[in-house]
Amino acid sequence: NAGVTQTPKFRILKIGQSMTLQCTQDMNHNYMYWYRQDPGMGLKLIYYSVGAGITDKGEVPNGYNVSRSTTEDFPLRLELAAPSQTSVYFCASSSQAAAFFGQGTRLTVV
Amino acid sequence: DAKTTQPTSMDCAEGRAANLPCNHSTISGNEYVYWYRQIHSQGPQYIIHGLKNNETNEMASLIITEDRKSSTLILPHATLRDTAVYYCIVRVFKAAGNKLTFGGGTRVLVKP
Repeated sequence: NAGVTQTPKFRILKIGQSMTLQCTQDMNHNYMYWYRQDPGMGLKLIYYSVGAGITDKGEVPNGYNVSRSTTEDFPLRLELAAPSQTSVYFCASSSQAAAFFGQGTRLTVV
Repeated sequence: DAKTTQPTSMDCAEGRAANLPCNHSTISGNEYVYWYRQIHSQGPQYIIHGLKNNETNEMASLIITEDRKSSTLILPHATLRDTAVYYCIVRVFKAAGNKLTFGGGTRVLVKP
């Protein structure tokens, strides 16, 4: 029973580099989300998706892109990494009632 | 979604009940009360949700006042593993996007 799986768990990027944070879920949920959490702060919504082929911006989308080609996968793309993107990133999927989160990707941009 | 107010932090003795309050005085009739917790930078974990009736599951109980302007999450026998940040969230069930907006939460420390 995997639930929501995120890879990688840790990553260090140099300023200007690009990377994709992977997220996959095996619960057949239509709704998926990306959040970021800065140290000592709450979670902020970056992007979300209500189904394959449909995505929308959350509270803090600048500097990120997403795609949703399948129900299972919802990758988050950072094109030009900046120090302000140093954070822990959480992916989640949701049934009608409750959301289930992955264990996070800890990203440091230096 | 309605805004919630929670105490910043609270301590609880191991083995005792932990009562976590949440104020949501502007809640609308179709908004549910959700509780999540986050243990030591892990991903948030769903605990329970309710509309107006009290709810209980294997993790906790949720007591919602009759006017729905406040609620209490009860952890019946707190253990050290219940040390976490607890988030009270109010939102419309099945709303478009099903988005969750997290506030600051209550940092709960369970002490031996």
